[in-house]
Amino acid sequence: QTVVTQEPSLTVSPGGTVTLTCASSTGAVTSGYYPTWFQQKPGQAPRTVIYSTNNKHSWTPARFSGSLLGGKAALTLSGVQPEDEAEYHCLLYFGGTVVFGGGTKLTVL
Amino acid sequence: QVQLQESGPGLVKPSETLSLTCTVSGGSISGYFWSWIRQSPGKGLEWIGYIYSSGSTNYNPSLKSRITISVDTSKNQFSLKLNSVTAADTAVYYCARVGRYEYSPYDYWGQGTLVSVSS
Repeated sequence: QTVVTQEPSLTVSPGGTVTLTCASSTGAVTSGYYPTWFQQKPGQAPRTVIYSTNNKHSWTPARFSGSLLGGKAALTLSGVQPEDEAEYHCLLYFGGTVVFGGGTKLTVL
Repeated sequence: QVQLQESGPGLVKPSETLSLTCTVSGGSISGYFWSWIRQSPGKGLEWIGYIYSSGSTNYNPSLKSRITISVDTSKNQFSLKLNSVTAADTAVYYCARVGRYEYSPYDYWGQGTLVSVSS
């Protein structure tokens, strides 16, 4: 059973920078896993913010960026705003099946 | 603007079958992959499976023996059946559009529907 691991929680100050990561139990994450990042606020459905490692949707704020970092997928928020407080989920594609990470609760404090 | 809406019973008895339908509006179901995802209370997201508009499917190995996802292109709907449910299947169930490819970005989601398993 493949496991995808994220930090359970992170805290960042307004205006700061934070990096969330997404690791696979199978080894290094590459672009072939099409890492996707979702933002979910309480009571709402998830919304994609980054797809295929580093691509943004039209609604994705410029301060969000995706990358591969040290064998993991990474989501970096630069110049964090209070409205970025949310749960962030990563998704990895394993050639036909999909696994979500456990989610990272990001607190802006 | 593509919109998705889940529908189905909010309460299912243990050992029975959970049945949900996702109705797609504002766009065609044809030519896309569509998925079901669930989220147990206070937990992370769990991928259930996806279906292409042609009817080909891929399921979560841990649920594969209990699930069936089907599509009705004439109604612009796709459906989920999960049998032999237990309390562990209590969750908010979301339907989502994956995209043109199975690794596409899940760009549209339904609002989610809470299904509780209880006698």
